[in-house]
Amino acid sequence: QKEVEQNSGPLSVPEGAIASLNCTYSDRGSQSFFWYRQYSGKSPELIMFIYSNGDKEDGRFTAQLNKASQYVSLLIRDSQPSDSATYLCAVTPAGGGADGLTFGKGTHLIIQP
Amino acid sequence: ETGVTQTPRHLVMGMTNKKSLKCEQHLGHNAMYWYKQSAKKPLELMFVYSLEERVENNSVPSRFSPECPNSSHLFLHLHTLQPEDSALYLCASSQEWGRGNEKLFFGSGTQLSVL
Repeated sequence: QKEVEQNSGPLSVPEGAIASLNCTYSDRGSQSFFWYRQYSGKSPELIMFIYSNGDKEDGRFTAQLNKASQYVSLLIRDSQPSDSATYLCAVTPAGGGADGLTFGKGTHLIIQP
Repeated sequence: ETGVTQTPRHLVMGMTNKKSLKCEQHLGHNAMYWYKQSAKKPLELMFVYSLEERVENNSVPSRFSPECPNSSHLFLHLHTLQPEDSALYLCASSQEWGRGNEKLFFGSGTQLSVL
């Protein structure tokens, strides 16, 4: 059973600080890693993806991947109240396949003004 | 229109009703998906269509029946549902399927309540 684990939160971060969201996965052969943002009452929206070990930066967002530790994280710099949402980590099994993406339950992030 | 559109946004149905959810993608993608999102649970993949070919998910009850008449349209036919089927049903599309790097674009979802 492939699993993706996230702390459900809520994670409360003051405005302007760095929000750090973490995700671990059980399938060592996983090859692609995604972060989706879901506002309350809305559908998920892809905000970051990473395939290789290390960091990937896009604006205020940085994704970090450590395949040896089976760990992926999302950092949000200069957090804004508009970043308050649930963040879903998703992982693709090795070689793709019928199982598709495995999602975590999500971390509820609250940015306090 | 752009993106992925789903109708209806909200649906209330009795256990003996038959209804259908509709999804249309305007992105030129080759793969379409149905996901179920329940409170406190991860997104669950129900069905995948790639180039109009269905990828079976054996764990989905037969009271859910997908249909993909072409690469832009996807339906989910519902009949004799149970109250535990109440959830948010999300349609998604991606450029391709099966290579392990699918980036999903979601529709707005249908919030389904089964009475």
